[in-house]
Amino acid sequence: EAQLVESGGGLVQPGGSLRLSCVASGFAFSDYRVDWVRQAPGKGLEWVGRLRKRTESYTTEYAASVKGRFTISRDDSRSSLYLQMNSLGVEDTAVYYCVRVASSYSYDYWGQGTLVTVSS
Amino acid sequence: DIQMTQSPSSVSASVGDRVTITCRASQDISNLLDWFQQKPGKAPESLIYGASNLQSGVPSRFSGSRSGTEFTLTISSLQPDDFATYYCRQYKSFPVTFGQGTRLEIK
Repeated sequence: EAQLVESGGGLVQPGGSLRLSCVASGFAFSDYRVDWVRQAPGKGLEWVGRLRKRTESYTTEYAASVKGRFTISRDDSRSSLYLQMNSLGVEDTAVYYCVRVASSYSYDYWGQGTLVTVSS
Repeated sequence: DIQMTQSPSSVSASVGDRVTITCRASQDISNLLDWFQQKPGKAPESLIYGASNLQSGVPSRFSGSRSGTEFTLTISSLQPDDFATYYCRQYKSFPVTFGQGTRLEIK
């Protein structure tokens, strides 16, 4: 069965940077688009961005709230997705999930999430 | 951006009850909507895609429907495992947007 496992979360000071990773298993990672979705403590779900696959030229989309600060990348040889987060603010404190995008563009598999805390 | 207005924000119900949760899109999204269930401290799980298609392994007591820009998630007979928070999501256009969530509590 498909599985996604995030890592790299932790405590970072405002203005700092952090890189999250998501390792996929149980499916052909290179064949799928993938998203990052976040959830602030006690709040709802917020889409962060999308990275398409090789046949779609690895193009990206970002939420306005992170555009210019966050960068999504992937290494298909390692079945891995990354989220580079720069210029972090307290508003970026959240659990970050990687999510597989099915061919129908729905979400089918979610990782367990990794917590990012931005605080001084 | 497409706004997803989900209602109610919370609902109390008993085991065996029928429950309906609604999401209204601010513009036409065709059938490009899915529903998720999230339990405290856990990742969301996908329930329904394309407005009315059950994900593999999801019990048949869950169903989804569409009427124009209004989408409904129905749980036909609540089970103890169903008490959770539910979210809708539109994927018609970027930015992808979620409803605010509905917390389903035990009465």
